[in-house]
Amino acid sequence: GNSVTQMQGQVTLSEEEFLFINCTYSTTGYPTLFWYVQYPGEGPQLLLKVTTANNKGSSRGFEATYDKGTTSFHLQKASVQESDSAVYYCVPNGGSGNKLIFGTGTLLSVKP
Amino acid sequence: DMKVTQMPRYLIKRMGENVLLECGQDMSHETMYWYRQDPGLGLQLIYISYDVDSNSEGDIPKGYRVSRKKREHFSLILDSAKTNQTSVYFCASTGQTYEQYFGPGTRLTVL
Repeated sequence: GNSVTQMQGQVTLSEEEFLFINCTYSTTGYPTLFWYVQYPGEGPQLLLKVTTANNKGSSRGFEATYDKGTTSFHLQKASVQESDSAVYYCVPNGGSGNKLIFGTGTLLSVKP
Repeated sequence: DMKVTQMPRYLIKRMGENVLLECGQDMSHETMYWYRQDPGLGLQLIYISYDVDSNSEGDIPKGYRVSRKKREHFSLILDSAKTNQTSVYFCASTGQTYEQYFGPGTRLTVL
C-alpha cells in the first residue's frame, strides 16, 4: 500500500549547521511530492513541492529532489536557524489524487 | 488571501455530549478534509468531502460524521463524545494542484 517513511523522529542541531532529513515513499505511479512544515500551535503549511520526477523543489533555503529511482525525497538546508524549529512532514499524494499521506514527521530543534 | 478558518479554537466537553467543529474556506475549493493529530501519531484522516453532500470516509471515521451543505463550509460532528476523542482537529482544503491548505486547528478536550 501507499506509505512514507521518515526514519528520524527527532533532529537536534545548532544554528548554521547542515540539515538533512531522510524520506522514502511507496505509492503507485509518480505522485506529486510535498514537504510540509508545522510550527508549534499552528496547522501544517506547504514548504515545497515537486510534481515531476527527477526535479528539484526549493523554498526558503530548503531543497528536495524527487528521485524516482530510489523513491526518495530528502529535505536539506545548508544553514539552519532557530526559527526553523518545527515538525517536517514528507508527504506524497496517494495516487488517488486528493489524498495525501502524512507520516509521523521529523521534529527539528535548532539551538541558538 | 487564501484562508481556512476553524471554530472554535478550544473546546472542553463532557463525555456523552455532542460536539460540532466548523471549518470554512474562501478559495472555492471543492475538496475538504478533517484530520486529527495526536502526539506520536501524526495526522490521521477522518473524512474527505469532494463537494456539497459528497463525503467519503477516511482512515478513522468511526465515532465521527460530517456535513457539507455549502462548498465553503465543512462540519465535523461527534455524537456523544468519548474521552479518546480528545485531540487536535485540523480542517484542510485543496484545489486542482493537490496542495492542501490547513486551518489553525481546534483543540478538543473530552472529560
